[in-house]
Amino acid sequence: KAGVTQTPRYLIKTRGQQVTLSCSPISGHRSVSWYQQTPGQGLQFLFEYFSETQRNKGNFPGRFSGRQFSNSRSEMNVSTLELGDSALYLCASSLAGGHEQFFGPGTRLTVL
Amino acid sequence: GDSVTQMEGPVTLSEEAFLTINCTYTATGYPSLFWYVQYPGEGLQLLLKATKADDKGSNKGFEATYRKETTSFHLEKGSVQVSDSAVYFCALSDPAGTYKYIFGTGTRLKVLA
Repeated sequence: KAGVTQTPRYLIKTRGQQVTLSCSPISGHRSVSWYQQTPGQGLQFLFEYFSETQRNKGNFPGRFSGRQFSNSRSEMNVSTLELGDSALYLCASSLAGGHEQFFGPGTRLTVL
Repeated sequence: GDSVTQMEGPVTLSEEAFLTINCTYTATGYPSLFWYVQYPGEGLQLLLKATKADDKGSNKGFEATYRKETTSFHLEKGSVQVSDSAVYFCALSDPAGTYKYIFGTGTRLKVLA
């Protein structure tokens, strides 16, 4: 069974731009969660989707948004990028919320 | 609110030394507990889990026991290898049904040959 895939793996953007990251969960998994990982703040929860509905959201500004499609694939979008948005963005899928999560390799975003 | 506290790193050990990474949690209910490992340049991998009190999770020589009385889930390994060098994260799944995981800050382990 294929694992969680994330695209692209690396991104370089400039301040003010927007970016869209993609995540394909493990086949059969309906829950997708997103995390931001930085050296200073560690691993922070962004949001979780299940069956195309956002069920929970972390403490991030509205510039961070996401969605999930009917095939469970998910995207997250960050608008008006700031330098502090530079991070590794991790996606994780699970059969349902609260179950063990399987992580993708992440997308490394650098904002210049 | 719910939280996970891990011992600060980095932890530096010689090969074949005994490893303990402490993890304690705060939760209002009965969470499931997890240890994840992250190797350089990669995402997190599930190392082991325990879903109820007194459960012992184990994998690749690592063990952790769910201790409800001390709200702990310490990670142990009897003899570490250089290949165990990584960052280890303790986590709990939110028992209140809000569908999010809560992670500790991670503990970096460096094993020297």
